[in-house]
Amino acid sequence: AQKVTQAQTEISVVEKEDVTLDCVYETRDTTYYLFWYKQPPSGELVFLIRRNSFDEQNEISGRYSWNFQKSTSSFNFTITASQVVDSAVYFCALSEVNTGGFKTIFGAGTRLFVKA
Amino acid sequence: SQTIHQWPATLVQPVGSPLSLECTVEGTSNPNLYWYRQAAGRGLQLLFYSVGIGQISSEVPQNLSASRPQDRQFILSSKKLLLSDSGFYLCAWEEQGNTEAFFGQGTRLTVV
Repeated sequence: AQKVTQAQTEISVVEKEDVTLDCVYETRDTTYYLFWYKQPPSGELVFLIRRNSFDEQNEISGRYSWNFQKSTSSFNFTITASQVVDSAVYFCALSEVNTGGFKTIFGAGTRLFVKA
Repeated sequence: SQTIHQWPATLVQPVGSPLSLECTVEGTSNPNLYWYRQAAGRGLQLLFYSVGIGQISSEVPQNLSASRPQDRQFILSSKKLLLSDSGFYLCAWEEQGNTEAFFGQGTRLTVV
């Protein structure tokens, strides 16, 4: 069975601090995909990144970076020099390849507060 | 370009009343479709997913049902709403092959 755990319910930081959001996943599949989404106060989910299970390279996109480690089943997300606009709920998600299709399971989310 | 429409945006319904939330996708064919619920202050819970017309998989036993009468239409229904059905419902689609999921704007349902 697949499972995504985001142990941090809420994180509060001051602007310009770096912050890491943790994500630990469980899966029996060897082929799977990991995602991060951002949910701002408006409610829509915004896609941030997808990573497949065969690509463990870390990725950097501006102030965002992701650390994928299969050995620890983790896919952590770091925001460097946080800004107030980063305040949102962030979801980590996992998709396994199931017969006939796919299903994406989300973690419970981490609410990030960035204070000015 | 692809777009997803979900309506209504907000809904207040009395306990025991029926429910029908509709989601349609444009600009793509044979997408995977999803219904999620987000209870207040909580994460996303996968309710149903569909990989084709008439093919519905349910993730959790509940008071809700889903249908896919057309390739790009996904409907979430209930015959009799419960107070516990209140929440934020999100429809999503993704292309076959597991690209990222695109979400609708959500429906905030309050059962009173």
